[in-house]
Amino acid sequence: DIVMTQSPDSLAVSLGERATINCKSTQNVLYSSNNKNYLAWYQQKPGQPPKLLIYWASTRESGVPDRFSGGGSGTDFALTISSLQAEDVAVYYCQQYYTTPLTFGQGTKVEIK
Amino acid sequence: EVQLVESGGGSVQPGESLRLSCTASGFSFTGSSMNWVRQAPGKGLEWLAFISSTSDTIDYADSVKGRFTISRDNARDSLYLQMNSLRVDDTAVYYCARDGRGVSNGNNWFDSWGQGTLVTVSS
Repeated sequence: DIVMTQSPDSLAVSLGERATINCKSTQNVLYSSNNKNYLAWYQQKPGQPPKLLIYWASTRESGVPDRFSGGGSGTDFALTISSLQAEDVAVYYCQQYYTTPLTFGQGTKVEIK
Repeated sequence: EVQLVESGGGSVQPGESLRLSCTASGFSFTGSSMNWVRQAPGKGLEWLAFISSTSDTIDYADSVKGRFTISRDNARDSLYLQMNSLRVDDTAVYYCARDGRGVSNGNNWFDSWGQGTLVTVSS
């Protein structure tokens, strides 16, 4: 199985500041035939289901604010919130869909400093 | 608006069975592959099962293979998860989630999620 490891487990960022979450996979999730990284990011607020933010490692889902961006390739990825807003307090998960079983990172909790 | 509504959760004893349902609306259920994902209390997300739009491709996580069965009824816009031989560590909120690429054979992201239904397994 591909193991996804996120860092840090939690971070506290001041309003308006940048937050960066890292995600590392134990195997390459870049599919060479189409040059796409099979990596998605989700946001989960307390008491709510996860919400898709990004897929193909950097494609923002419709309606997601442009302060959210994804990057990286191969085995190392990052989700960046360029200017943290109060409504961004949540747990964030990365997910690989390169192969089954589809696996998630353990989650990173983002709070306001 | 895409809506997925899970039902069927509850409290059972170890070894018992439960059947979860997920009713879809607001999109072409017939044209969408579907998944079940669970989240144990205070824990992360675990993908459990996938079913293609026509049910010809089905896949399971090892943790539930042989105990859980995913199925669908396109005429009723409904997805199901039959859970047998339930264990204490199956306690979780169970979500149905739509495949991000509609008609597919799996290996995708999840673009819509239900609110989840809680399953508690305890003696």
